[in-house]
Amino acid sequence: GAVVSQHPSRVICKSGTSVKIECRSLDFQATTMFWYRQFPKQSLMLMATSNEGSKATYEQGVEKDKFLINHASLTLSTLTVTSAHPEDSSFYICSDRQPAADTQYFGPGTRLTVL
Amino acid sequence: AQTVTQSQPEMSVQEAETVTLSCTYDTSESDYYLFWYKQPPSRQMILVIRQEAYKQQNATENRFSVNFQKAAKSFSLKISDSQLGDAAMYFCAYRSEETSGSRLTFGEGTQLTVNP
Repeated sequence: GAVVSQHPSRVICKSGTSVKIECRSLDFQATTMFWYRQFPKQSLMLMATSNEGSKATYEQGVEKDKFLINHASLTLSTLTVTSAHPEDSSFYICSDRQPAADTQYFGPGTRLTVL
Repeated sequence: AQTVTQSQPEMSVQEAETVTLSCTYDTSESDYYLFWYKQPPSRQMILVIRQEAYKQQNATENRFSVNFQKAAKSFSLKISDSQLGDAAMYFCAYRSEETSGSRLTFGEGTQLTVNP
């Protein structure tokens, strides 16, 4: 399957700071990538769809000014959590869709802890 | 909107035995894909198997197979000859081919324990 990387794998930050998470599609050009959030022992919740060269599409209830998504190249999408608060602490996962396989492949995730 | 339901929060199986995980979904569409992903303790989501709704034949991948009942909107996963490495959270997921976005809708997950 496709290879998706995320960086960092784990980050701890102070309340009020911003954190950037990178998601890279390593073996093909991904025009579309997805960002999910997962709380402990819960399912994945889609936050937004990241489209290369255009604005991201956010799911209902997700603050676009809080979670900034940039997809400036075909292999890189970034999620920036702005003015982070402890309630933003979560596991963030990205994925891409490989058209040939018609399947989404996931990155290893980023654990964010806001103190 | 589509919904996916996994009614078994936890399941356990003895090593080398067979276990079946249940998944039902609700949709008015006829063209869609269904997936099973596993999430081991590392939390890396791994594709296990996928099924196109227009295909009547059940998908199979080595020890993993599905029982796809389109009319009943049921998509169960059978794991044969269970191995310790199969222990993970399993998520059933739906993707529409009729609406845009390619988004996945996930079930709540089933935590599978494999006992030696």
